[in-house]
Amino acid sequence: QLQLQESGPGLVKPSETLSLRCTVSRGSISSSSYYWGWIRQPPGKALEWIGSIYYSGSTYYNPSLKSRVTISVATSRNQFSLKVNSVTAADTALYYCARIKVGAADNWGQGTLVTVSS
Amino acid sequence: DIQLTQSPSFLSASVGDRVTITCRASQGIRSYLAWYQQKPGTAPKLLIYATSTLQSGVPPRFSGSGSGTEFTLTISSLQPEDFATYYCQQLNNYPITFGQGTRLEIK
Repeated sequence: QLQLQESGPGLVKPSETLSLRCTVSRGSISSSSYYWGWIRQPPGKALEWIGSIYYSGSTYYNPSLKSRVTISVATSRNQFSLKVNSVTAADTALYYCARIKVGAADNWGQGTLVTVSS
Repeated sequence: DIQLTQSPSFLSASVGDRVTITCRASQGIRSYLAWYQQKPGTAPKLLIYATSTLQSGVPPRFSGSGSGTEFTLTISSLQPEDFATYYCQQLNNYPITFGQGTRLEIK
């Protein structure tokens, strides 16, 4: 069964860069059938699509975050990553990585809480 | 951006009830709609994609229908494990967007 695991700092200072990694196991990130994405959920709120990437490196970003977000892929390590620049308290959220099939996220990591605070 | 509005936002029901959750899109999204279930402290789980296709392993008491701007998720006979929050998601237009969620609680 495919597994995804997020990793990265749980606390980031305002104006700094949030960096998370998603490690994919029991499956290949280089599969031509899937995209890989990041989705976040502020505490007690709804889900927000951040962006997604194909193993070739082509990306889609949510325009609301596009100027601050970079998603990259490392196929040799079966990982993909998220960077969000210039964070504020509004970026505090549970961050999930997921496998994307026909646009829907069919496998999710457990999520990692990132708090933006000084 | 396409806005998705779920109704109701909160639903109280009993085991065995048939419940329907509606998701309305601000513009047509053809059949590119998915439904997720989220329980407290866990990641969302994909239930249905392409409006009515059941994800592998999801019980058949869950079903989806609709097209254009109005979609529904129906649970034919509520089970104790179905009490959760449900989200719809549209995949027709970027940016991909989610509804605000429907919280289903035990009456």
